[in-house]
Amino acid sequence: GESVGLHLPTLSVQEGDNSIINCAYSNSASDYFIWYKQESGKGPQFIIDIRSNMDKRQGQRVTVLLNKTVKHLSLQIAATQPGDSAVYFCAENNENDYKLSFGAGTTVTVRA
Amino acid sequence: DAGITQSPRHKVTETGTPVTLRCHQTENHRYMYWYRQDPGHGLRLIHYSYGVKDTDKGEVSDGYSVSRSKTEDFLLTLESATSSQTSVYFCAISEETSGANVLTFGAGSRLTVL
Repeated sequence: GESVGLHLPTLSVQEGDNSIINCAYSNSASDYFIWYKQESGKGPQFIIDIRSNMDKRQGQRVTVLLNKTVKHLSLQIAATQPGDSAVYFCAENNENDYKLSFGAGTTVTVRA
Repeated sequence: DAGITQSPRHKVTETGTPVTLRCHQTENHRYMYWYRQDPGHGLRLIHYSYGVKDTDKGEVSDGYSVSRSKTEDFLLTLESATSSQTSVYFCAISEETSGANVLTFGAGSRLTVL
């Protein structure tokens, strides 16, 4: 089946720097791409989503970029804080298909 | 994890015993899901439900069954637990939407099969 995956399993970032988390996907028919954050001992939480007809979407301190030409998705976190330490997952779904496929996740560690 | 609770949160059992995990929601959402999370595999869909008594298999459904007799409850049953089913299980819910399918997850149930 189609898969969604992340380039790197771990990322270490200095506090205050910007973080970039990458995700490659293979299903060019996906309508939406979604980023989740999972803190230790908790369930994943929604961060931001982007529709396939968009290239960029901004939220609070986060920006998601979508490059459909190379099937690449990225999540940028501005001014990374200790509370940003977590595992980040990308997911994709098609409209009217309520199943989500998740990648293996990237563990982000923020250095003080 | 407002609106969605999982029980038990932790369970240790022996190989061959039956186990049932419960997911309860107060959001009246139509869709409910069971995922398992293992190191290196991310989140994998076991089963999901699109309404009362309406369920379907996910990518790793072997050895699991589910039931949804009420909108608010979605049960995951391991008829005869095996060590390979040691995992953290997450329930999730979502509402019917024309946009992105945003899941709300429970806090997880850690199952250890000895």
